Amino acid sequence: DAGVTQSPTHLIKTRGQQVTLRCSPISGHKSVSWYQQVLGQGPQFIFQYYEKEERGRGNFPDRFSARQFPNYSSELNVNALLLGDSALYLCASSLNRISSLRTDTQYFGPGTRLTVL
Amino acid sequence: QQQVKQSPQSLIVQKGGISIINCAYENTAFDYFPWYQQFPGKGPALLIAIRPDVSEKKEGRFTISFNKSAKQFSLHIMDSQPGDSATYFCAASVEETSGSRLTFGEGTQLTVNP
Repeated sequence: DAGVTQSPTHLIKTRGQQVTLRCSPISGHKSVSWYQQVLGQGPQFIFQYYEKEERGRGNFPDRFSARQFPNYSSELNVNALLLGDSALYLCASSLNRISSLRTDTQYFGPGTRLTVL
Repeated sequence: QQQVKQSPQSLIVQKGGISIINCAYENTAFDYFPWYQQFPGKGPALLIAIRPDVSEKKEGRFTISFNKSAKQFSLHIMDSQPGDSATYFCAASVEETSGSRLTFGEGTQLTVNP
């Protein structure tokens, strides 16, 4: 089975532009989360979506938005790009939003490397 | 707010040696503690994870030790191999009705010399 896939792999934008990143979860997974990983740091949580609804949001400005589609794929949008938005954007999928029987393990994709000039 | 602190930032060990990475957390509500391994150009991959109801979990050469009272946990890599050279992240989350969100440490760059 295919893992989490993300597109594009790399992206170069200039300040003020807008960008859309895409994620396809593992087949059967209904939850998608987005993380930002700045070079040399650990990933930071941005959003979590489950069944097309936002279930969690990290400490990021309103320039960041996301959505989940009926096939559980997801898009992350960032408006008015700043130099500080340059990072690896990771998508993770998991099977259940909640589980009383087991841990809801998150599986990460390879990420999209965004460079803002 | 940094809720998971990881050390050391970098670690160099010889092949066959033991690699030890430590993490400390602040939020006592955390109830799931995974370790992720990340190679350059790749996303993080789950290595091993533990819940606070046990003090140790071993999977092959990888062991997590957990100290709930001290709010600390560590990863031990036995018989370290050059192929283990990667960045390791500890993380923590609260399993709740809104779904889990992972809080990561800042990472440890491990180099295993042949």
